[in-house]
Amino acid sequence: DTAVSQTPKYLVTQMGNDKSIKCEQNLGHDTMYWYKQDSKKFLKIMFSYNNKELIINETVPNRFSPKSPDKAHLNLHINSLELGDSAVYFCASNRDPNSPLHFGNGTRLTVT
Amino acid sequence: DAKTTQPTSMDCAEGRAANLPCNHSTISGNEYVYWYRQIHSQGPQYIIHGLKNNETNEMASLIITEDRKSSTLILPHATLRDTAVYYCIVRVGGANSKLTFGKGITLSVRP
Repeated sequence: DTAVSQTPKYLVTQMGNDKSIKCEQNLGHDTMYWYKQDSKKFLKIMFSYNNKELIINETVPNRFSPKSPDKAHLNLHINSLELGDSAVYFCASNRDPNSPLHFGNGTRLTVT
Repeated sequence: DAKTTQPTSMDCAEGRAANLPCNHSTISGNEYVYWYRQIHSQGPQYIIHGLKNNETNEMASLIITEDRKSSTLILPHATLRDTAVYYCIVRVGGANSKLTFGKGITLSVRP
């Protein structure tokens, strides 16, 4: 029944590794997002996709690459992980860009 | 998108109304006011939004001043489960518009 689900919930890895976070929504929404919440709790948008097309791409290192195989999925792949990438990453979706966002419960990434 | 200003924190007794203020003095005519909250260790949750008129739903009421420079989120009967960080956000609609979260206000509901 989960509307927006992310996996894994926790991810601990070493610097230099490559990792992926998966997101799926079963709400039939057309738009999906990735947000990053740092240690100071600021929540910042990273990317948004509308119907598999990239709409918003904030100033994010190109080590971060979103991939949307279909409109129900938006995965986040991160290459060459750095200590500063440690954060909680939230996936979200909405029916259209003006509708309320539905968030997943986050993936806590820890880079050691 | 216009910036918002919220107090850092406030508290409220359980069962009483919680009134959370937000200033958005530079809001433009086509910008909506949104409220979200984030309970510890969870993703943000949508509460309510409005443009000009006051709005009410099953969770809360949103009161927007006539000049739209400020608003108040009202939780009519706060419970302990309402303890969270509440974000007031203003944004214009459209595909390229971003929902930008500030620091929010931490509401603590005491027994």
